[in-house]
Amino acid sequence: EVQLVESGGGLVQPGGSLRLSCAASGFTFSSYTMSWVRQAPGKGLERVSGIGDSGTATSYADSVKGRFTISRDNSKNTLYLQMNSLRAEDTAVYYCAKGGLRVVTDHWGQGILVTVTS
Amino acid sequence: EIVLTQSPGTLSLSPGERATLSCRASQSISSSYLAWYQQKPGQAPRLLIYGASGRATGIPDRFSGSGSGTDFTLTISRLEPEDFAVYYCHQCDSLPITFGQGTRVEIK
Repeated sequence: EVQLVESGGGLVQPGGSLRLSCAASGFTFSSYTMSWVRQAPGKGLERVSGIGDSGTATSYADSVKGRFTISRDNSKNTLYLQMNSLRAEDTAVYYCAKGGLRVVTDHWGQGILVTVTS
Repeated sequence: EIVLTQSPGTLSLSPGERATLSCRASQSISSSYLAWYQQKPGQAPRLLIYGASGRATGIPDRFSGSGSGTDFTLTISRLEPEDFAVYYCHQCDSLPITFGQGTRVEIK
């Protein structure tokens, strides 16, 4: 069974940083593109970032480019999202998801809340 | 950027009725990379349809997808109480990967 478990969310002040982690199990992690997708309160889904199976290919939404960095450790089956210079508009539930460019996103974590507020 | 426009924004129907949800893309998408998700309050999205018409594992056959190019449709043949939720279309054909804004299916 595929499992994706996010951690590292919480409350942070504007300008602060957080690092999200996603522990993956139940599939060959190193073979799959992975993504982070967020959902602001009461809003729709926004794909924030994605990373290829080897970690060399990455992509970002314009809204986070230059502030967020996606990475992965295939030896630990873990996906990361380093979030710097956080803004109030980054407040959202962040989902780790299996899939990405030209690969169907077929599994999602339960999501983790990031709240940016002073 | 491929913009996905879903209509209607809200669909008010009764259990047992048929639901037809539309997703229109701003440019042509390969059908292989068009998906539909269901999301209930407090839950992560769940994959319903991939490749425009393929049902994901465990999805009942009352859910069907169709379409090609720029026009795609999700049909729920007979609404069950558990089907009242928000539905999103999604394209992963080109970057940036995008989602539609969602269609809420509510009980009339």
